[in-house]
Amino acid sequence: SQTIHQWPATLVQPVGSPLSLECTVEGTSNPNLYWYRQAAGRGLQLLFYSVGIGQISSEVPQNLSASRPQDRQFILSSKKLLLSDSGFYLCAWRRLAGVDTQYFGPGTRLTVL
Amino acid sequence: AQSVAQPEDQVNVAEGNPLTVKCTYSVSGNPYLFWYVQYPNRGLQFLLKYITGDNLVKGSYGFEAEFNKSQTSFHLKKPSALVSDSALYFCAVRDMGYSTLTFGKGTMLLVSP
Repeated sequence: SQTIHQWPATLVQPVGSPLSLECTVEGTSNPNLYWYRQAAGRGLQLLFYSVGIGQISSEVPQNLSASRPQDRQFILSSKKLLLSDSGFYLCAWRRLAGVDTQYFGPGTRLTVL
Repeated sequence: AQSVAQPEDQVNVAEGNPLTVKCTYSVSGNPYLFWYVQYPNRGLQFLLKYITGDNLVKGSYGFEAEFNKSQTSFHLKKPSALVSDSALYFCAVRDMGYSTLTFGKGTMLLVSP
């Protein structure tokens, strides 16, 4: 069966510090991968998605970037965090082909002070 | 373009009563529709999906949803609500040819004892 991991689970960072959040998927190959941000416990904002290694699509201009160095690894980064980067970050995966369900990881709670 | 609307921020229902959480969508082609549930500080959990076929879809935890093409709706239902159903519910849509889901803003379901 497939499993998706995110770490860390929680993170408190000062404004201006760098960020690296990691997401890995087990039990599948060549998945579509997604990063979302959820602010104030509500709506989901799609940040980035990837259909393959090194292929990143950005949905919204951000203070953030994403990379996919390996097939099942998706990293969200920032060089300098802003207060507005605080939120709940969710990674998700879906099989590349067909109409399949998107599955979510447990999330990372980021607080920027 | 694809979009989805959840017109209610919150739905209140007494335990044992039927519940409905509303969702309407807009796509240019045939829609793929999904419902997810989120508990506090957790990732989204998949409940059910409609791809094609029978308009009534049954999912996890006794939930079901009815696809209505003429009304462009996909309302989530359950015959008898439980207190443990209290959570945030998201409807999502994907149009054919799109790689990404579009989520509604979410509806908070509160089931009182």
